[in-house]
Amino acid sequence: EPEVTQTPSHQVTQMGQEVILRCVPISNHLYFYWYRQILGQKVEFLVSFYNNEISEKSEIFDDQFSVERPDGSNFTLKIRSTKLEDSAMYFCASKASSSYNEQFFGPGTRLTVL
Amino acid sequence: AQSVTQLDSQVPVFEEAPVELRCNYSSSVSVYLFWYVQYPNQGLQLLLKYLSGSTLVESINGFEAEFNKSQTSFHLRKPSVHISDTAEYFCAVSIIQGAQKLVFGQGTRLTINP
Repeated sequence: EPEVTQTPSHQVTQMGQEVILRCVPISNHLYFYWYRQILGQKVEFLVSFYNNEISEKSEIFDDQFSVERPDGSNFTLKIRSTKLEDSAMYFCASKASSSYNEQFFGPGTRLTVL
Repeated sequence: AQSVTQLDSQVPVFEEAPVELRCNYSSSVSVYLFWYVQYPNQGLQLLLKYLSGSTLVESINGFEAEFNKSQTSFHLRKPSVHISDTAEYFCAVSIIQGAQKLVFGQGTRLTINP
């Protein structure tokens, strides 16, 4: 069964460093999403991506964040200068089309900023 | 904007007992409703969804949820739980148009005791 994969499973970084979280969505899916969950809090929407551009982003998704689909298979989230409060579990999700509503989630990347 | 409230952060029950996980939502426009489940060390998996039609929806593993528009609720129930149902359960909504981002509740941890 096709699945969304994410690497790495756990990333530890120093404050101020850049990190790139990687996701491989399900092949032939067209809509891509990043969510995050700070420990003990809700899963929060960060950004959605369709047709090679951001379709919606949340207030959390400021200039420190960027997304890219560099090669038609990977979908990346970059944080340019990490802060302590960026420590969270980051989930990638993908969806087949606008009329098909199920988002398929990856297992997540746990980001720890020291 | 949409919001989702899951009233119980933790629900402990005995095996074979019934369970209800509560979910209320707020939205000024029509929404789709979802329950996702997260088993330990795994990603979020869709359990069931309400898009339209019959207000009672069922999953393949015995869970059901009922959409109640007047009470803006989408409670999840199972008449007899199993140890394998131990997981975190997330209620979520999305608006029908646009990027269809998911707005999640804070989750309910269901613990099944033998």
